[in-house]
This record gives sequence, C-alpha cells and structure tokens, in this order.
Amino acid sequence: DQQVKQNSPSLSVQEGRISILNCDYTNSMFDYFLWYKKYPAEGPTFLISISSIKDKNEDGRFTVFLNKSAKHLSLHIVPSQPGDSAVYFCAASAPAGSQGNLIFGKGTKLSVKP
Amino acid sequence: DAGITQSPRHKVTETGTPVTLRCHQTENHRYMYWYRQDPGHGLRLIHYSYGVKDTDKGEVSDGYSVSRSKTEDFLLTLESATSSQTSVYFCAIGQVQETQYFGPGTRLLVL
Repeated sequence: DQQVKQNSPSLSVQEGRISILNCDYTNSMFDYFLWYKKYPAEGPTFLISISSIKDKNEDGRFTVFLNKSAKHLSLHIVPSQPGDSAVYFCAASAPAGSQGNLIFGKGTKLSVKP
Repeated sequence: DAGITQSPRHKVTETGTPVTLRCHQTENHRYMYWYRQDPGHGLRLIHYSYGVKDTDKGEVSDGYSVSRSKTEDFLLTLESATSSQTSVYFCAIGQVQETQYFGPGTRLLVL
C-alpha cells in the first residue's frame, strides 16, 4: 500500500516553460516533505523541503506547494532548463519517534527539451 | 556535498555468496540509513541506525543484516545473496525530520 504516490512516471516540457511535478500522500501523520533530484548513476540530491505548517516554500526556480486538506504537494520549476532533466522523487517523513525514515514515491522522470 | 562514500561502487557476485557493502561518513551524523532502489519502486528503506550498535529494520529488511561499530561506518550484509537482491543500494545520513543526504550508490548484480 503506497503511502506516497507519484502518478506520472514521466513528464516532458519545453525549455523555458514551467514543469509541475505532483505527489499525493495518504498518511495524515506525515508532516515534513522533501523533493530529491536524481541523475543516472548518482545518488539522490536534496532539492527543497516543506514543513506541514507552511503551504509554500520557494528556492530560486523551485517552489513546493503543500495542500494538506487534499494531501497533495507539487514541485514547480520555472523556467525549466535542460539540466533539470532527471528523475524527481517526492518523500515524506512522520514525526520524530516513529520509524525515523523517509517514505519515497516511485519518481517522475522529467525531460526538458531544448 | 555531504561526506558520504560507499564501497564498492559496483559488484558482481553469484547466488549464495555473502556480500558486504560499506558506507562511510565524515559528518559525525548519528543516523544512517540503507535504501535500495529498483525500477517501479522508488527508494525503499532496508535498515537504519540511530547510533553505534543501535539499528532497526526498515520496510524491506528480509535477507539483510547491518552493523555499526563506529559512528562513521555502517555496513550492510547480504548473508546469502539472491537474484532478487540485484539492485542499486544507497546509504544516507540525516536526522529524523531533517534532510537526508545520500551517497553515490553501489550497483550490485547477483547472478
């Protein structure tokens, strides 16, 4: 039973346009969310995070939006660049005292076309 | 980059042989994690450690054991490798409710 779902395995956008990657979760105990980017043959690298007390967090071209009532978060990349082409993983964390790990979605492969 | 190294980076082994993967960190983090990544599954937690000699199971711990005798090293052992353990293994460090930082990965092929 997937607790974190990324329903789009892939996404293709044109350079300069907006990329929107979506993530849904089922566990209402999750209160910290992260996005990771992964290039082939490398480890995932942290991109941006958001606490459940916020509904938006922005870092340069990357913005994460959290809709707690819908149990949905999204990552916006504006403008998209060819170097953004990678697999993006959404992850969620439950409060300290629980298992202590991140629960990952299956990932969305983003392709940014020049 | 967080100071995390993994060794070996690539390994080919045969079914039934023992395999040990090493994760080494220079960040003095208390928490360390082992994940595996498989197509269609994302990253799944195998085991984690919350201190020297303190470890616990994750989502997919069957067939794996871990040891942590020093803060900087976290070992993952496949006692008797099976083809289903062919995967890419990632080590990570980081506190609960904080960002986890990942190593470069070990690609393991079990024939």
